[in-house]
Amino acid sequence: EDQVTQSPEALRLQEGESSSLNCSYTVSGLRGLFWYRQDPGKGPEFLFTLYSAGEEKEKERLKATLTKKESFLHITAPKPEDSATYLCAVTYNTDKLIFGTGTRLQVFP
Amino acid sequence: NAGVMQNPRHLVRRRGQEARLRCSPMKGHSHVYWYRQLPEEGLKFMVYLQKENIIDESGMPKERFSAEFPKEGPSILRIQQVVRGDSAAYFCASSPAGGLNQPQHFGDGTRLSIL
Repeated sequence: EDQVTQSPEALRLQEGESSSLNCSYTVSGLRGLFWYRQDPGKGPEFLFTLYSAGEEKEKERLKATLTKKESFLHITAPKPEDSATYLCAVTYNTDKLIFGTGTRLQVFP
Repeated sequence: NAGVMQNPRHLVRRRGQEARLRCSPMKGHSHVYWYRQLPEEGLKFMVYLQKENIIDESGMPKERFSAEFPKEGPSILRIQQVVRGDSAAYFCASSPAGGLNQPQHFGDGTRLSIL
């Protein structure tokens, strides 16, 4: 069964302590990999789309990278406002998104 | 900022009643997707619609659930004879066109509670 697995499930960081979140996938024929941010009580907020291995996208303190089997979301010098659940999703043969269960990030001052 | 609008934000129903969840896509968007998020689980695809057409309903339960996106008005997700297991957050997303280059933008969801 095609799957999207995110790790770690939860991550606690001190403000300024850089780290990476992982998203591995087993779908055949990946069309796109998407990163979203979700705050409590809110819907997912789109961050990035990656299409092919080697591609990178950046936005403020976030940088997403893609290999043939996984993606990383690097967070550089995080701030408390970066605390959220980060979701990874993929599409392959249709437009529906297949989501992982997310990484809950907490950044402490 | 006219994002994806979902209403109601919270809905309480008793077992056996019907639930209707509404979704107005972003302006200019003609594609709507519904997802369900159960407690402690990830978002699961339910159905993909364009105006007056169901494109992919592979994630919809076979019974009690239906969806529509009429020519005029919002998309509706309808759950008949609700049961406790239907309690979840239901999210709608929209895009201007189907396909890889168009990310889906989400509303803030409807939280359905079944008593």
